[in-house]
Amino acid sequence: DTGVSQNPRHKITKRGQNVTFRCDPISEHNRLYWYRQTLGQGPEFLTYFQNEAQLEKSRLLSDRFSAERPKGSFSTLEIQRTEQGDSAMYLCASSLGTNGYTFGSGTRLTVV
Amino acid sequence: AQKVTQAQTEISVVEKEDVTLDCVYETRDTTYYLFWYKQPPSGELVFLIRRNSFDEQNEISGRYSWNFQKSTSSFNFTITASQVVDSAVYFCALLPDKLIFGTGTRLQVFP
Repeated sequence: DTGVSQNPRHKITKRGQNVTFRCDPISEHNRLYWYRQTLGQGPEFLTYFQNEAQLEKSRLLSDRFSAERPKGSFSTLEIQRTEQGDSAMYLCASSLGTNGYTFGSGTRLTVV
Repeated sequence: AQKVTQAQTEISVVEKEDVTLDCVYETRDTTYYLFWYKQPPSGELVFLIRRNSFDEQNEISGRYSWNFQKSTSSFNFTITASQVVDSAVYFCALLPDKLIFGTGTRLQVFP
């Protein structure tokens, strides 16, 4: 394992389309987090999983957003009916408990 | 409330100057961790340091040093003899159960 992997790196989509991002964490890490970062801001917490259980969701995560981690390994983040305000960098991180917090390179979403 | 404040939005220095990035945090937890991350133009968040709330010893790593003061809820970061490669956005973060980031300080080091 060389780190947290996110795909795709970039995604351009038309408003109203659905998009899905994937995150592969470090294999021995039990926690997986999703963050969103807009220009000039720090990353904002969206949700996190411990193994396959989604333990917390931010109020930033509207009904159009859904995240899964079906087998406690990789995770997907889906945005339905995208809006221009969804344009941002989506960051994934993983950790073993509160240790070894490691971020991926992110997926940059542009909604046109 | 859990919060991290980085009051300096942008700092510009000339190479070889020392620079300090400020970080003030708020938490009611007695056990927590504090982090600094570097985000270069490529966008990836690069881990710099992690400190737990029970360890107030200052730390030095090469040109980097960190000053943790619980009495003022601050965790400041100093770069000595700055270099152009230090140009990036730096984030301070608080970990009660998940990382909470400040808004970042953009550091520009000019040759």
